[in-house]
Amino acid sequence: GIQVEQSPPDLILQEGANSTLRCNFSDSVNNLQWFHQNPWGQLINLFYIPSGTKQNGRLSATTVATERYSLLYISSSQTTDSGVYFCAAPNYGGSQGNLIFGKGTKLSVKP
Amino acid sequence: NAGVTQTPKFQVLKTGQSMTLQCAQDMNHNSMYWYRQDPGMGLRLIYYSASEGTTDKGEVPNGYNVSRLNKREFSLRLESAAPSQTSVYFCASRISSGNTIYFGEGSWLTVV
Repeated sequence: GIQVEQSPPDLILQEGANSTLRCNFSDSVNNLQWFHQNPWGQLINLFYIPSGTKQNGRLSATTVATERYSLLYISSSQTTDSGVYFCAAPNYGGSQGNLIFGKGTKLSVKP
Repeated sequence: NAGVTQTPKFQVLKTGQSMTLQCAQDMNHNSMYWYRQDPGMGLRLIYYSASEGTTDKGEVPNGYNVSRLNKREFSLRLESAAPSQTSVYFCASRISSGNTIYFGEGSWLTVV
């Protein structure tokens, strides 16, 4: 099945700094999603982005499907951005359409 | 519109006990999923249901059973709980493959 790898595993930022999180995947995909898990455990959809670039406020994501990676940009980070960021891609080799998650990037934003 | 609702939120079980995690969605989604999350492991798929009346195994199905009771509800059962099943369980749904997935708030299960 597909392999999904995220980097870095941990990231500490000062409030106001920018950051880039990376997601590499081993197979071609037509479905790539980014999630934020807040410190209370809630999983929130950020982007559904199989290709191209999308922006939502201070966050944006770019997926280059041909090169099998996606990037999540966080600008002017805030303490509320803290948590774990996951990317997920479908596992066509196994159960079609079911998402395989990376292990996440744990972000800590310090005031 | 509550989205995806899971119960219970917290549960402590003794080894060998059984329990059922309940999940319901009110978004008229066809597909429903159960994931578990363990430290450093991300989320791993236990079982899924692509549509009402069908269920299939995911990455880590051993020790679990599921029931897609109707289009809204998808339950996860632990017949004989083991300490290795201590985890956070997430139910999720989406309208179909290729669309955005929505998660419940999670169920924290401890098996002692």
